[in-house]
Amino acid sequence: GAVVSQHPSWVICKSGTSVKIECRSLDFQATTMFWYRQFPKQSLMLMATSNEGSKATYEQGVEKDKFLINHASLTLSTLTVTSAHPEDSSFYICSASRLAETYNEQFFGPGTRLTVL
Amino acid sequence: AQKITQTQPGMFVQEKEAVTLDCTYDTSDPSYGLFWYKQPSSGEMIFLIYQGSYDQQNATEGRYSLNFQKARKSANLVISASQLGDSAMYFCAMRALTQGGSEKLVFGKGTKLTVNP
Repeated sequence: GAVVSQHPSWVICKSGTSVKIECRSLDFQATTMFWYRQFPKQSLMLMATSNEGSKATYEQGVEKDKFLINHASLTLSTLTVTSAHPEDSSFYICSASRLAETYNEQFFGPGTRLTVL
Repeated sequence: AQKITQTQPGMFVQEKEAVTLDCTYDTSDPSYGLFWYKQPSSGEMIFLIYQGSYDQQNATEGRYSLNFQKARKSANLVISASQLGDSAMYFCAMRALTQGGSEKLVFGKGTKLTVNP
């Protein structure tokens, strides 16, 4: 099966610092990668969609300058939370998309739990 | 715009019994796809089953089956012979297009399933 990794799995940082989260598709080349945010006991909210070599497409209400996304290759996307504040504390999940027979399958990473003090 | 509604915040089922998790959807697209994911307490999103709008038969994957009623716009997940390990959050999702033309997933709010011994 297709495997997507995320690093780190959890991170604690001080307010005002930046945090980078990596998302890698380990055994396939992903046409598209996605970044989601999930608050406790809530659903996943799509933050942005990224394709290799092009700018990310952000969902309405997501600050582009705060959540920087770089999609360096077909197997790696990074999310940088800049000048993090306690309200940015959340569970961040990435997914990588691959074309199946009739639809695009999304394979999810294990998530990164960010705590901003 | 696509919308997924899961009306059951929580469900309880006895071990070895079957349970149905409800999902209704709204879309104006003639072609669409519906997914179910399981999210255990560890956080990873596990793909369970997919139903395409033009599929002639209801999807089945092991103990999971999808009761797809197109006219009612419902795509309920049926889990047969529940196991303790089935206790988790379950999310229904629909395929949608981003502003950039990529396919994304729109998630419902989820249903927390608890399997009792």
